[in-house]
Amino acid sequence: KQEVTQIPAALSVPEGENLVLNCSFTDSAIYNLQWFRQDPGKGLTSLLLIQSSQREQTSGRLNASLDKSSGRSTLYIAASQPGDSATYLCAVRGFRDTGANSKLTFGKGITLSVRP
Amino acid sequence: NAGVTQTPKFQVLKTGQSMTLQCAQDMNHEYMSWYRQDPGMGLRLIHYSVGAGITDQGEVPNGYNVSRSTTEDFPLRLLSAAPSQTSVYFCASSYGEGPYEQYFGPGTRLTVT
Repeated sequence: KQEVTQIPAALSVPEGENLVLNCSFTDSAIYNLQWFRQDPGKGLTSLLLIQSSQREQTSGRLNASLDKSSGRSTLYIAASQPGDSATYLCAVRGFRDTGANSKLTFGKGITLSVRP
Repeated sequence: NAGVTQTPKFQVLKTGQSMTLQCAQDMNHEYMSWYRQDPGMGLRLIHYSVGAGITDQGEVPNGYNVSRSTTEDFPLRLLSAAPSQTSVYFCASSYGEGPYEQYFGPGTRLTVT
């Protein structure tokens, strides 16, 4: 059974820092990995989707990398801002199941606080 | 496009009551899913559907029923609510198989007393 881990559970940094959020997964047979952002009391917003054949994806100040063989992904946030404060979740989709694109396995998330 | 919509936003039930959480999407997505989010547990899949008339169980299906009569709608029914079903429920959809993102609704916060 796939397990997704995100450590630490919470992170506090000063504004302007470049930071890396980590995600690890136990079964490397993934189809893709998706990073989400969740603001308090809100739904999930997709940030980046990396296919298993890709090494990284970029969107603005965000860069996500994927190393399937080691079961790891990182989300890099450049020049962090207070508006980046939120919970960041990673989720993987496996190859093996029918309808797998409707079934994601989530990590528990990292709650990021960026101090002004 | 409204995206994925969920109603109600908040609900309080007494133990034993039944109710239906509504989910609709206007993106013509084939795949739809229900997750629950609990503190310390993350998001867990309850039920999912790969198209109208097709549903299957996820990780935590007990106490919940679903049906999918149209592409747009995927309601989640609680048959006899229990305090253990107190949670935030999210509906999600994606285009289908392939390199497609999942899109999430805003959630329904359910409390069972």
